[in-house]
Amino acid sequence: DGGITQSPKYLFRKEGQNVTLSCEQNLNHDAMYWYRQDPGQGLRLIYYSQIVNDFQKGDIAEGYSVSREKKESFPLTVTSAQKNPTAFYLCASTQGGLYNEQFFGPGTRLTVL
Amino acid sequence: KQEVTQIPAALSVPEGENLVLNCSFTDSAIYNLQWFRQDPGKGLTSLLLIQSSQREQTSGRLNASLDKSSGRSTLYIAASQPGDSATYLCAVGRGSTLGRLYFGRGTQLTVWP
Repeated sequence: DGGITQSPKYLFRKEGQNVTLSCEQNLNHDAMYWYRQDPGQGLRLIYYSQIVNDFQKGDIAEGYSVSREKKESFPLTVTSAQKNPTAFYLCASTQGGLYNEQFFGPGTRLTVL
Repeated sequence: KQEVTQIPAALSVPEGENLVLNCSFTDSAIYNLQWFRQDPGKGLTSLLLIQSSQREQTSGRLNASLDKSSGRSTLYIAASQPGDSATYLCAVGRGSTLGRLYFGRGTQLTVWP
């Protein structure tokens, strides 16, 4: 089955800790994205990557970092510099080109204790 | 910057009704428009993708239309069912950034038996 997997499903972080959220896709998509969703809000773009070893900041990149060492993987690190990290994090990917439909993973819910 | 608005924010209807969900966007220079469904605590499921050159797309009981010049899209749900209860999100894509989507806050739909 092709798709996007995110792990863990739930994550708890203590103040001052860095945590890493995993995102893997086997769709052979070039571009990958991280979004953050807060209650009653639309999704906001954190980072995106159009190609391996390259990524760009989205609208709310402060306090987050990413890497894209493999086409299939786009992990997101939530650093201690992110002041309000409690949220639902969604990873997505797209092949791009004319069709450009975006597909999403099941999400990771991060809670700061 | 692209702003996406969805009206109404919430909708509660009896089973069997035909529904219209509205989406408006401020910048008509879009690449495509995508409608998603989100169940509580889950990721997004793509429902329909409309390219900027298209006027509408249909899938089963769903029909989405696009009017770029007026900055509007509608999602029409025919003969609603309790299983349609979910949050529906509209997102517009910009061609200048591969796959980048701008999201509305969604319409929370409840269909009661």
